[in-house]
Amino acid sequence: EAEVAQSPRYKITEKSQAVAFWCDPISGHATLYWYRQILGQGPELLVQFQDESVVDDSQLPKDRFSAERLKGVDSTLKIQPAELGDSAMYLCASSLAGLAYEQYFGPGTRLTVT
Amino acid sequence: SQQGEEDPQALSIQEGENATMNCSYKTSINNLQWYRQNSGRGLVHLILIRSNEREKHSGRLRVTLDTSKKSSSLLITASRAADTASYFCATDGHDMRFGAGTRLTVKP
Repeated sequence: EAEVAQSPRYKITEKSQAVAFWCDPISGHATLYWYRQILGQGPELLVQFQDESVVDDSQLPKDRFSAERLKGVDSTLKIQPAELGDSAMYLCASSLAGLAYEQYFGPGTRLTVT
Repeated sequence: SQQGEEDPQALSIQEGENATMNCSYKTSINNLQWYRQNSGRGLVHLILIRSNEREKHSGRLRVTLDTSKKSSSLLITASRAADTASYFCATDGHDMRFGAGTRLTVKP
């Protein structure tokens, strides 16, 4: 069964450093999402792509976060500089075509900022 | 900000019992989805119910949707220890919003 791949699974970084996460969605899925999940809370949408275009990044802290999905396939989420409050699980998900379809989630990247 | 609100925040039951979780939301939706998350893992889609549907079944899962009350419920029948997880509702609205989840513990 096809899965969403994410790497790394765990990342420890010092504050003020740069960090990047990678996501490879299920083949053929046009929509890709990045979420941040703080322990004990639900996922919070950071950015939604439709193919290579950003559909929604209203919750993305653009002063330090950036996301791209070149060629509309895999995607990278970057934080620079990382802050202590960025410690969280970063989840990537993909769906066939937008919000009307179920989302398939990757295993996530657990980020710890020290 | 999160739109869906699950209730209760935590639920503990014995194996074999039924578990009911509720979700309330604020704005109009096209569909509502339920997801499960095992500790430290990604989310798994359980069921999607569209705004023109009132009830949907999938195996031991039963979901209801009342758009007039802006609420949904998830019923898990004959629960098993493996059902122990956090359960989230998600609404589409303008974008996908998840609630804070219900933490279900099923004791063997």
